[in-house]
Amino acid sequence: GQQLNQSPQSMFIQEGEDVSMNCTSSSIFNTWLWYKQDPGEGPVLLIALYKAGELTSNGRLTAQFGITRKDSFLNISASIPSDVGIYFCAGQLARGSTLGRLYFGRGTQLTVWP
Amino acid sequence: DGGITQSPKYLFRKEGQNVTLSCEQNLNHDAMYWYRQDPGQGLRLIYYSQIVNDFQKGDIAEGYSVSREKKESFPLTVTSAQKNPTAFYLCASTGDVSEQFFGPGTRLTVL
Repeated sequence: GQQLNQSPQSMFIQEGEDVSMNCTSSSIFNTWLWYKQDPGEGPVLLIALYKAGELTSNGRLTAQFGITRKDSFLNISASIPSDVGIYFCAGQLARGSTLGRLYFGRGTQLTVWP
Repeated sequence: DGGITQSPKYLFRKEGQNVTLSCEQNLNHDAMYWYRQDPGQGLRLIYYSQIVNDFQKGDIAEGYSVSREKKESFPLTVTSAQKNPTAFYLCASTGDVSEQFFGPGTRLTVL
């Protein structure tokens, strides 16, 4: 299946620091989504992006749809302890994709130290 | 409240037994999905259904079966043919756009 390369795999930061993570692919995507998963729970949608170059914010979270349509970025500003969790990127292929089929990155495990 | 429910939250099964995981949604979504999640892995697609009475295999369908007799329900059966069934199973649904919404998951442990 389609591979999304998500990095970094894990991050250990201090409360108040900013966080950046990204997702890249060899294929063109027409949709990028970012999810957060708490331990033992299902992923929760944070931000959805539908247009190349689009920059969207949700509180302290900002995500961008890369111009090449092959990547996306998520930034978290002024991290707090409740930001701890696994962040996943997901994308829908521009071509050859079943309607609604998403491909997922392997996730970024974020740990925030007080 | 609108959403996706999965039951049970924890499930234990003896080796060689089939087990069925429930997934129900009241979002009026047409498409539903089953994923498997293992530690340190992303979400791998098992089966998906875009409409009632129709479903397709995902990337890791071997050892699993599904049915879609009602729009609201998409149960997953983990059969004895699945060699490593212990995992966290997630159900999701999507409406008109690509945004998938997930249930709380079922953790299956094979004893």
